[in-house]
Amino acid sequence: DGGITQSPKYLFRKEGQNVTLSCEQNLNHDAMYWYRQDPGQGLRLIYYSQIVNDFQKGDIAEGYSVSREKKESFPLTVTSAQKNPTAFYLCASSMSKVGNQPQHFGDGTRLSIL
Amino acid sequence: GESVGLHLPTLSVQEGDNSIINCAYSNSASDYFIWYKQESGKGPQFIIDIRSNMDKRQGQRVTVLLNKTVKHLSLQIAATQPGDSAVYFCAEKAAGNKLTFGGGTRVLVKP
Repeated sequence: DGGITQSPKYLFRKEGQNVTLSCEQNLNHDAMYWYRQDPGQGLRLIYYSQIVNDFQKGDIAEGYSVSREKKESFPLTVTSAQKNPTAFYLCASSMSKVGNQPQHFGDGTRLSIL
Repeated sequence: GESVGLHLPTLSVQEGDNSIINCAYSNSASDYFIWYKQESGKGPQFIIDIRSNMDKRQGQRVTVLLNKTVKHLSLQIAATQPGDSAVYFCAEKAAGNKLTFGGGTRVLVKP
């Protein structure tokens, strides 16, 4: 079954701790994205990657880091520098080399502070 | 469908009626638009898309209309069903593959 898998579904972070959110896709998509969603709001772009070993900052990259060592994986680390990390985090992917294509989303990771 | 902080605009519709969800987009250079449906605790689900060289596109029970003159996008859902209850987002794409999302509209279907 093709799709995007995010894990864990729920995650708790202690003060001063870095946590890593997993995103895996088996759609053979080139591009992958991380968004943050706060209650009652739309999605804001954190980081995106158009190709393996390359990624760019989105609109709210401060306090986050990513890597793209494999085409199918795009993990997001929420660092201790992110002072307000409580949110719903969504990963998406798309075929970037075929003109306008929709992004497809995983089912998210909800991060909370302990 | 503009967001006002924590209070999403809400559209209440009777089961069986048609729904119209509106979205004002910001960038006149945007050339691609998408509607997503998001149910509670899940990721957004693709509904339908439209390119800027079109003004209407139809899917199964859904129609998207694009008015570039006033930068307005709408999603029409025919014969709305209880399963259509969700938050609906529009998204626009200008340069590259980056999408900009609207704030969302909550649709509540009354039985």
